[in-house]
Amino acid sequence: GNSVTQMEGPVTLSEEAFLTINCTYTATGYPSLFWYVQYPGEGLQLLLKATKADDKGSNKGFEATYRKETTSFHLEKGSVQVSDSAVYFCALREGSNYKLTFGKGTLLTVNP
Amino acid sequence: DVKVTQSSRYLVKRTGEKVFLECVQDMDHENMFWYRQDPGLGLRLIYFSYDVKMKEKGDIPEGYSVSREKKERFSLILESASTNQTSMYLCASKGGGTYNEQFFGPGTRLTVL
Repeated sequence: GNSVTQMEGPVTLSEEAFLTINCTYTATGYPSLFWYVQYPGEGLQLLLKATKADDKGSNKGFEATYRKETTSFHLEKGSVQVSDSAVYFCALREGSNYKLTFGKGTLLTVNP
Repeated sequence: DVKVTQSSRYLVKRTGEKVFLECVQDMDHENMFWYRQDPGLGLRLIYFSYDVKMKEKGDIPEGYSVSREKKERFSLILESASTNQTSMYLCASKGGGTYNEQFFGPGTRLTVL
């Protein structure tokens, strides 16, 4: 079956540091890939997505590139802010299937 | 903006009680979902519905049922709550079309004593 593995947290960084959160996946077909963010006390929001190999999703300074050869979709940001403190979830959806498969989430804390 | 609302942010119930969690979306979406979120486990799909009165089991449906009598409303029912159902419950909705995203509600934190 499908699965998503993302790096264990928590991750603690200082403001303006570089962020990478690793995500790898297992799927039988050609999935679409997503990063969701959950700010404290809120539901999940879509951060970015990529629907085919070599696509790059980007939003709010975050980027992730769909790498089929390494089955990865790592999240990066060049300079994090305190307001980026949240839980980040990597997820996949295969084809027209409505179901999202989530990773376990990575808690990011950014200190001033 | 899409709005997904959940009836309660926090709920405390006793073992054996029947519990209803309500979710309403305002975007005429066909698809609605119930997840539970637990530390270290991420989000797991309980049930989803692709149309009124239609439902499919997700990964962990045991101990839960759902109801979708109107397009905008999707209810999660715990017939007899147990302590292992203490969790955060998240509702989501999604329009038709392969590439449409899921929109999530703020969640209901349920504690079963």
